[in-house]
Amino acid sequence: QVQLQESGPGLVKSSETLSLTCSVSGGSINGYYCSWIRQPPGKGLEWIGYIYYSGSTDYNPSLKSRVIFSVDTSKNQFSLKLSSVSAADTAVYYCASRRRGSTAFGSWGQGTLVTVSS
Amino acid sequence: EIVLTQSPDTLSLSPGERATLSCRASQSVSSTYLAWYQQKPGQGPTLLIYGASSRATGIPDRFSGSGSGTDFTLTISRLEPEDFAVYYCQQFGGSPLITFGQGTRLEIK
Repeated sequence: QVQLQESGPGLVKSSETLSLTCSVSGGSINGYYCSWIRQPPGKGLEWIGYIYYSGSTDYNPSLKSRVIFSVDTSKNQFSLKLSSVSAADTAVYYCASRRRGSTAFGSWGQGTLVTVSS
Repeated sequence: EIVLTQSPDTLSLSPGERATLSCRASQSVSSTYLAWYQQKPGQGPTLLIYGASSRATGIPDRFSGSGSGTDFTLTISRLEPEDFAVYYCQQFGGSPLITFGQGTRLEIK
């Protein structure tokens, strides 16, 4: 399994855009789906959506209008942009990977806390 | 949306005891599409079980999964100190594609 590491600003202002990157090491991202999952402080896990290494995507309908995923195969990286953020978007954001044909996440990043300030 | 409801919310047990965690789905889930994770404080989740009953690589055999349809169970046969954590079930295939249960906190009695 590959290793994942999230990076990006830990503080974002309300109404602005949250941007995070997931860097993959230990292998090529070819054949992998990268999902973004978030966890508000003290709460459970919410799936945001996925991007396949080829660029195909699927989104949680509850966030679809505000989310953009991208992939850079040359850098072995996936990215998330979440627009028009509010305090409700404060959470630890994880990237997690699954291979094609798998339905569970074999690797997760350590997560990064993003706080939305007013 | 397929809602997963885990019970109990908190389970208080002692090391050496047997733990039984439940995950109930609002509609039928293929066994192929049900997974369990363990999460410790400050860490990302770790895959324990996939396909309802298959252990992930490196997971001790004291962890086992079972169930079908709408009722699934994670069993830890003899609790070790490192097993006290939060456990989540996850389904694949509904809309949204992936949902998680709210979690069960396993705490030391």
